[in-house]
Amino acid sequence: NAGVTQTPKFRILKIGQSMTLQCTQDMNHNYMYWYRQDPGMGLKLIYYSVGAGITDKGEVPNGYNVSRSTTEDFPLRLELAAPSQTSVYFCASSSNRYEQYFGPGTRLTVT
Amino acid sequence: KNQVEQSPQSLIILEGKNCTLQCNYTVSPFSNLRWYKQDTGRGPVSLTIMTFSENTKSNGRYTATLDADTKQSSLHITASQLSDSASYICVVSGREDSNYQLIWGAGTKLIIKP
Repeated sequence: NAGVTQTPKFRILKIGQSMTLQCTQDMNHNYMYWYRQDPGMGLKLIYYSVGAGITDKGEVPNGYNVSRSTTEDFPLRLELAAPSQTSVYFCASSSNRYEQYFGPGTRLTVT
Repeated sequence: KNQVEQSPQSLIILEGKNCTLQCNYTVSPFSNLRWYKQDTGRGPVSLTIMTFSENTKSNGRYTATLDADTKQSSLHITASQLSDSASYICVVSGREDSNYQLIWGAGTKLIIKP
């Protein structure tokens, strides 16, 4: 099992550009999550999904969109990138309300 | 306001020594408390999960304690190894159904020197 995979590993965007961060899990988990981690801060939940076709906002959803068309994939879309979206983004999945398995992260810089 | 505070922010110890990391929280209601290890450039990995009824939980050389009355937790690392160099993050869940409302601490950065 590869677990949770994320692409790309690194990306530099110009202000106003858009991009999609990819996340795939091969553990057949129903729950998937997107977090951002800023330096010196705790992780913040952006969006989460409890199953294919169902998504909901987390603590910091503004500027982002998600979709969940399959159990395996949970892409995060950034529209009109802003410098405040410079961060490390982590995708995670779980089969229950306790354990979470994280991907390796995507380091995004918006300039 | 729900908060999780960890101390110290960073810690340097010699290989083979023990250390204890602290976590204080003001999250209410309380469901469970988790400790994660995050290696540099990697995602967090779960070490322990404790509910309010559990006082202590071990995972190899890692032992977590929880005092739900004083809202404090600690993570004790025994006989440290170079591979223990990482950030250790305390996370509190305030709801039974929640991986959706976790409060994450900023972490303690631990450096083990040979």
